[in-house]
Amino acid sequence: DVKVTQSSRYLVKRTGEKVFLECVQDMDHENMFWYRQDPGLGLRLIYFSYDVKMKEKGDIPEGYSVSREKKERFSLILESASTNQTSMYLCASRAQWGQGYNEQFFGPGTRLTVL
Amino acid sequence: AQKVTQAQTEISVVEKEDVTLDCVYETRDTTYYLFWYKQPPSGELVFLIRRNSFDEQNEISGRYSWNFQKSTSSFNFTITASQVVDSAVYFCALSEAGDNFNKFYFGSGTKLNVKP
Repeated sequence: DVKVTQSSRYLVKRTGEKVFLECVQDMDHENMFWYRQDPGLGLRLIYFSYDVKMKEKGDIPEGYSVSREKKERFSLILESASTNQTSMYLCASRAQWGQGYNEQFFGPGTRLTVL
Repeated sequence: AQKVTQAQTEISVVEKEDVTLDCVYETRDTTYYLFWYKQPPSGELVFLIRRNSFDEQNEISGRYSWNFQKSTSSFNFTITASQVVDSAVYFCALSEAGDNFNKFYFGSGTKLNVKP
């Protein structure tokens, strides 16, 4: 049974705090993703990683950074949280091209509120 | 231009009615993949089905069925005899091959309300 877990379901932080969102997958997938989801704006890709220590910017990387030190773990970092980063954050993982299936598997999401 | 269009923002039906969620996609690739996801109120996106561009067979899984038509670039999702538990937001998504493999194009979602 495939599994993507995220460190928190709900998180409340203050403006200016450094925030870490952790994601772990147990499927040995090479690719991992961070999205944010906002009403009316759909799902937007922040960053993705296609291998350990490798990352690429998505559509809205400003204000975020990521870290992938181990294959199973992908962290999203808000260096200095701001109120406009209040959102639902979704992590996903996906197998490499050619491995027979291509869907992304999502974690349960983290609802982050920045006060 | 939108790669994936879900024109129905919100649909309300009464339990036991059939309902079809529309998805129209746009791509120039010959190899691509289409997906449907369900997002219940809890927030997690649950994978429902994958279709690749070479497989136009329709699929049925219990009360769910999918109609993939390359001629109209559509990948529609039908729920037969809807139930209250089907209430959720449903997303259609497209993934292309090659350099764009890791880019998932999501539609804006269709919110389905099934009333008892």
